Amino acid sequence: QVQLQESGPGLARPSETLSLICSVSGFSIRSGYYWAWIRQPPGKGLEWIGSTYHSGDTYYNPSLRGRVTLSVDTSKNQFSLKLDSVTAADTAVYYCARRAFSGYDHYYFDSWGQGTLVAVSS
Amino acid sequence: DIQMTQSPSSLSASVGDRVTITCRASQSISSYLNWYQLKPGKAPQLLIYAASSLQNGVPSRFSGSGSGTDFTLTINALQPEDFATYYCQQSRRSPYNFGQGTKLEIK
Repeated sequence: QVQLQESGPGLARPSETLSLICSVSGFSIRSGYYWAWIRQPPGKGLEWIGSTYHSGDTYYNPSLRGRVTLSVDTSKNQFSLKLDSVTAADTAVYYCARRAFSGYDHYYFDSWGQGTLVAVSS
Repeated sequence: DIQMTQSPSSLSASVGDRVTITCRASQSISSYLNWYQLKPGKAPQLLIYAASSLQNGVPSRFSGSGSGTDFTLTINALQPEDFATYYCQQSRRSPYNFGQGTKLEIK
């Protein structure tokens, strides 16, 4: 059974880079699925950040205006998130997830980590 | 972008009740609609994908319906563990936006 676990600093300074890692167990990250990051600011709804494939194919939410980079480390079965130039508005619980699919290109996030809170503060 | 609007934003119900949550897309998304359950401190759970397909392991009291722009999530015979926040999400086109959530509380 696939399990995902987010890790990284719980605090980021304004204007700096937020970095998180998602460790995947019970499933190979090279097994034909995309991997995603999703966040939830306090008291607000969910926001899809982006998705990545082990080949390097990656796509992002335009709302993050080029500040985000996703990457995959197949040797460690991990994928990562970097968000540049953070502000208080980037304070959120960050989740990693697996993007599964069914026929007719139906995609959905079928496995999630528990999430990690990152606060942006000086 | 495709905007997703859920209603109500909160809902009070009792164990054993039947509840319905609605989700409306700003344009047609066919059946590219998923539902998730979130509880504090726990990994979110996929309930329904492709508008009406029940995810493996999810109790059959959960069901989804709809197509185009209007969708519903129905929970029959509410159980204590169902009190949580529910989100719809469209997967028709990037960015894959979620609704603002519906918090289901115990009456």
